[in-house]
Amino acid sequence: NAGVTQTPKFRILKIGQSMTLQCTQDMNHNYMYWYRQDPGMGLKLIYYSVGAGITDKGEVPNGYNVSRSTTEDFPLRLELAAPSQTSVYFCASSYAGEKLFFGSGTQLSVL
Amino acid sequence: RKEVEQDPGPFNVPEGATVAFNCTYSNSASQSFFWYRQDCRKEPKLLMSVYSSGNEDGRFTAQLNRASQYISLLIRDSKLSDSATYLCVVNSISSGSARQLTFGSGTQLTVLP
Repeated sequence: NAGVTQTPKFRILKIGQSMTLQCTQDMNHNYMYWYRQDPGMGLKLIYYSVGAGITDKGEVPNGYNVSRSTTEDFPLRLELAAPSQTSVYFCASSYAGEKLFFGSGTQLSVL
Repeated sequence: RKEVEQDPGPFNVPEGATVAFNCTYSNSASQSFFWYRQDCRKEPKLLMSVYSSGNEDGRFTAQLNRASQYISLLIRDSKLSDSATYLCVVNSISSGSARQLTFGSGTQLTVLP
């Protein structure tokens, strides 16, 4: 049972580089989310999607972009990496916006 | 005021102790409530939903007080394996009518042998 799969698990970027964090789920969930978690802090919502072709900003969207071309995939794009984007990133999905299933996270460092 | 507030702890308790966490929320229109557990450097996992009448799952009891806008989690007969961070999560409806979950910062629990 794969659930929510995130790649990569770890990544180090230089300032100004770009990258895409991949997220895929096999539970046919409509809702998908990207969160970031800074040390000792709660999860902050970056972007979310309620279905293929529909995305919306969360609490901290600046510096990120997303797309949702299929139900399964919800990639997160960082265009110009900055040290402030050093964090742990979690992708999650849910059936109706309630109980979340999380991926195992991506530890990103921007140096 | 934060939307969802929790006492960060840490709570250090001996095995077998009973420990309780509280969480307050600011949006009186919030509709559903959850407790998640997060182990160190791992993803959060759903522990239990919180229902208006209160609910129990083994050693864990969750309660909701809508009038005072807080939820609680009680852990009885705590085990070493209960050591984790407990996240309070509140569901609110955004202006776009899409459900969003707001996470508290978490309460850290360490159960000591």
